[in-house]
Amino acid sequence: GAVVSQHPSRVICKSGTSVKIECRSLDFQATTMFWYRQFPKQSLMLMATSNEGSKATYEQGVEKDKFLINHASLTLSTLTVTSAHPEDSSFYICSAKSSYNSPLHFGNGTRLTVT
Amino acid sequence: KNQVEQSPQSLIILEGKNCTLQCNYTVSPFSNLRWYKQDTGRGPVSLTIMTFSENTKSNGRYTATLDADTKQSSLHITASQLSDSASYICVVSAGAGSYQLTFGKGTKLSVIP
Repeated sequence: GAVVSQHPSRVICKSGTSVKIECRSLDFQATTMFWYRQFPKQSLMLMATSNEGSKATYEQGVEKDKFLINHASLTLSTLTVTSAHPEDSSFYICSAKSSYNSPLHFGNGTRLTVT
Repeated sequence: KNQVEQSPQSLIILEGKNCTLQCNYTVSPFSNLRWYKQDTGRGPVSLTIMTFSENTKSNGRYTATLDADTKQSSLHITASQLSDSASYICVVSAGAGSYQLTFGKGTKLSVIP
């Protein structure tokens, strides 16, 4: 079945540094990928829609200059959290669809802790 | 505004027992409804998908129902196992093949021995 790989699974960084999270579709091409953030005991909150070869579409309230998204190929999207702050600590998850009517396939998430 | 409400927020049951999780939605136009299982620290995994014309769909010990008139869905888990402990998320899609998804906050299920 369709697999989405996310890396790293956990990352701890110091405040002010930047962190890059990768999301790869391993056995299918994904022209569109999605990035979510999930706080404890909360549901997934869509941050942005990543489109291959074009600019990402950000949800209201999400700072595009802080959360940089690059979707350079049909199998890879990256999310870079720039100048991270402790309040950026969260669980970040990506997802992708393998076809028009397929379910979303989620990565296993990245636990970001900013100290 | 599209909304998905899930209940209960959390649930504790004994191993071997059955349980039912609820999902009420106000999403228009309705396309489909999916139930996902999310283990702690992992990404969600799709369990079932329900379209407008489907009333019931099973996946092993999981049975989902949909009442499109009342805009309600339920997920019934039979003979629960410890591995069923997870969050169950109801996700409703608006429009055919749409990427416009509305997520419920999930029900956290704990199965205890």
